[in-house]
Amino acid sequence: AQTVTQSQPEMSVQEAETVTLSCTYDTSENNYYLFWYKQPPSRQMILVIRQEAYKQQNATENRFSVNFQKAAKSFSLKISDSQLGDTAMYFCAFMSAGGTSYGKLTFGQGTILTVHP
Amino acid sequence: AAGVIQSPRHLIKEKRETATLKCYPIPRHDTVYWYQQGPGQDPQFLISFYEKMQSDKGSIPDRFSAQQFSDYHSELNMSSLELGDSALYFCATYNQMVTEAFFGQGTRLTVV
Repeated sequence: AQTVTQSQPEMSVQEAETVTLSCTYDTSENNYYLFWYKQPPSRQMILVIRQEAYKQQNATENRFSVNFQKAAKSFSLKISDSQLGDTAMYFCAFMSAGGTSYGKLTFGQGTILTVHP
Repeated sequence: AAGVIQSPRHLIKEKRETATLKCYPIPRHDTVYWYQQGPGQDPQFLISFYEKMQSDKGSIPDRFSAQQFSDYHSELNMSSLELGDSALYFCATYNQMVTEAFFGQGTRLTVV
């Protein structure tokens, strides 16, 4: 079974600054996907960024980028130029790339990010 | 573009009552996953369906059952509701051509 760990229950950052959210995971699989989801107060689950495990290049999406370290099983999210609208709960999630568990997401405990003006 | 539709958005039930939550996937999505998210917690996998057959099962109580219909929509039936069942229930849908979950907006169930 896979596990995902987010060791930072809460983080805060000043507007326009950079913040990094940490995530580690454990799996015996070689092919998988990793995701960061944002859940604002509306509680809608919004995909922020996705990383395929077979890709060495770190994914980027505008102000969001990841540092994917496959050997260390680490998958951190960096948010640059933080904006007030980034305030939300952030979940790291693991998904198997095949087999009967394809599509099943295993989530970390979440990190509450607050962006201060 | 069409999104995943969940209904109802909010539901209030009394203890020991029954609730039915519905999930309508994006067209051509044949896989549905159900998750339960308690207050301040991460989503927990309940059950999944692929091509109308149950494909995987998580920590779903025996009081809950679910199915996927011929039009690929899914229903989660919850009986003998308990206070602890109060949570946000998400469904997420896929097909084999996509590698990300498409989430519905969730159904917020409150048991009083």
